[in-house]
Amino acid sequence: GEDVEQSLFLSVREGDSSVINCTYTDSSSTYLYWYKQEPGAGLQLLTYIFSNMDMKQDQRLTVLLNKKDKHLSLRIADTQTGDSAIYFCAERKAAGNKLTFGGGTRVLVKP
Amino acid sequence: DGGITQSPKYLFRKEGQNVTLSCEQNLNHDAMYWYRQDPGQGLRLIYYSQIVNDFQKGDIAEGYSVSREKKESFPLTVTSAQKNPTAFYLCASRPPGAGTEAFFGQGTRLTVV
Repeated sequence: GEDVEQSLFLSVREGDSSVINCTYTDSSSTYLYWYKQEPGAGLQLLTYIFSNMDMKQDQRLTVLLNKKDKHLSLRIADTQTGDSAIYFCAERKAAGNKLTFGGGTRVLVKP
Repeated sequence: DGGITQSPKYLFRKEGQNVTLSCEQNLNHDAMYWYRQDPGQGLRLIYYSQIVNDFQKGDIAEGYSVSREKKESFPLTVTSAQKNPTAFYLCASRPPGAGTEAFFGQGTRLTVV
């Protein structure tokens, strides 16, 4: 199976919270990242978490990491229409210098 | 301004022709990467380079070639051997150090007709 998996699609109402989930398989992953991609553009780093942390908060963004279950989530509080995009989680393995990406979750924010 | 630049943004080529995609960065980053993105899918690593004059195959290197003669530049050639080259190609670079983030270019959309 894939190293990093995400659900394909999430629909949320403006003002609600969004939660995007990601699972990974490599227990030696050191850093886990969340990137945002708007249509036709490159990827923009939103936040990242070191593998020995459980949670990281940055303004409207909260990252939760369950290392035992290899589960990562990104919560966006007070979701806005500008948050509509594709969100990718990625892991950096301990060995090598590669970033492995999930398939992306398309988030649609409805007014 | 510092950044990573891919050109052109859109590229059309006839089947059977080689084509080279440009990626330039003035961030003084050692590591550079090429990813391919297909519609509705994630990013797959084609090649990466950790230092000048050195590069390694990623997960889907067949049909592609790269060079890294200068720190600033990491061009990707899509050869005629690549069976399905139409895709969105993303270049990234990363400074040294554990956990440092990768900076992405705006991508090149290649269409082979």
